[in-house]
Amino acid sequence: NAGVTQTPKFQVLKTGQSMTLQCAQDMNHEYMSWYRQDPGMGLRLIHYSVGAGITDQGEVPNGYNVSRSTTEDFPLRLLSAAPSQTSVYFCASSYSQSGANVLTFGAGSRLTVL
Amino acid sequence: KQEVTQIPAALSVPEGENLVLNCSFTDSAIYNLQWFRQDPGKGLTSLLLIQSSQREQTSGRLNASLDKSSGRSTLYIAASQPGDSATYLCAVPSGSRLTFGEGTQLTVNP
Repeated sequence: NAGVTQTPKFQVLKTGQSMTLQCAQDMNHEYMSWYRQDPGMGLRLIHYSVGAGITDQGEVPNGYNVSRSTTEDFPLRLLSAAPSQTSVYFCASSYSQSGANVLTFGAGSRLTVL
Repeated sequence: KQEVTQIPAALSVPEGENLVLNCSFTDSAIYNLQWFRQDPGKGLTSLLLIQSSQREQTSGRLNASLDKSSGRSTLYIAASQPGDSATYLCAVPSGSRLTFGEGTQLTVNP
């Protein structure tokens, strides 16, 4: 099993450009989520999905869109990148263990917006 | 709103030392707490999950305790090794999401 795969690992964008961060998991997990990690702010939830066709907003959803057409894939779209979106992005999938979401994280995607 | 705090933010110890990392949370109505490890430039790896019905959980040289009433959890690392150098984060559930602390950056010196 590859686990959670994120692409690209690094990306530089200009303000106003759009792009999609890809996330795929091969563990048949229903729950998937996107976090951003910033110095001094920790990990913050952007969007999450509890299954194919179902998505919901997290703590910091503005400027990001998601979709979940399959169980395996959960792409994160930046429609018009802003410097404030410079961050490291992590995708995670999870299964439920005794009521707890046990997360498996991808390796991260480092995004710089100029 | 749940807030999670980890103290200290950074810790440097000599190899072989036993150490304790602290995690506190403001809303004690949690049903579990997780500890993660993050290596530089990598994602997070789940270390331990403690259910609210448990007081502690052990994995190898790691022992995590949970005291809901005081809003605290500790991660105890025995006989630390240079390979333990990483950032350790705790997280508690808030509805269907997790709230993370900012982590403790641990350096174990040979």
